[in-house]
Amino acid sequence: GAGVSQTPSNKVTEKGKYVELRCDPISGHTALYWYRQSLGQGPEFLIYFQGTGAADDSGLPNDRFFAVRPEGSVSTLKIQRTERGDSAVYLCASSLGHANTEAFFGQGTRLTVV
Amino acid sequence: AQTVTQSQPEMSVQEAETVTLSCTYDTSESDYYLFWYKQPPSRQMILVIRQEAYKQQNATENRFSVNFQKAAKSFSLKISDSQLGDAAMYFCAFWGRAGNMLTFGGGTRLMVKP
Repeated sequence: GAGVSQTPSNKVTEKGKYVELRCDPISGHTALYWYRQSLGQGPEFLIYFQGTGAADDSGLPNDRFFAVRPEGSVSTLKIQRTERGDSAVYLCASSLGHANTEAFFGQGTRLTVV
Repeated sequence: AQTVTQSQPEMSVQEAETVTLSCTYDTSESDYYLFWYKQPPSRQMILVIRQEAYKQQNATENRFSVNFQKAAKSFSLKISDSQLGDAAMYFCAFWGRAGNMLTFGGGTRLMVKP
């Protein structure tokens, strides 16, 4: 696609529910990143994929968070048993390769847990 | 671990004038990149300018330039001839060759007065 696409744009869910956030990177980009941006703060790293594999998941806050990229393109961030503290904007970025430092970001998914 | 600090939560500039946004960082790495990203209300992070640490020459992109002081670990952004469309959140970010992610500062909100 022309840019990184994230769906949904906004998601409201009840505490305790399961949510999936989708990221469709730029075609041909092998590196994909997820970041979380809490209100009034800068984005924080969650996980990095190189191809299909999670090369670095050190930023995932706990085992309720999980991400996959089964075919090396689209990625899904999954959050189980959501908590109010999970409310944030979840940003996805992709780049041509990990050594290529120009990352292109999507418009994010604003998750609100009520 | 790297840290990035933006000490100005908000800045204001008159249209057509010049403004400088500050950023300091801390790292033990010698090979890294520094970035300024713009985040308008659409939430999408847009790359403004990039600086490779090994380059002594300060990067410039049209009205945007940086003052990179490696020894002082300082990386400020100068916006010349400010335009109304420059109003946004600006984030300073660090990428180390040894790592897998961007580390962002807390951001500076730039307001442009007509």
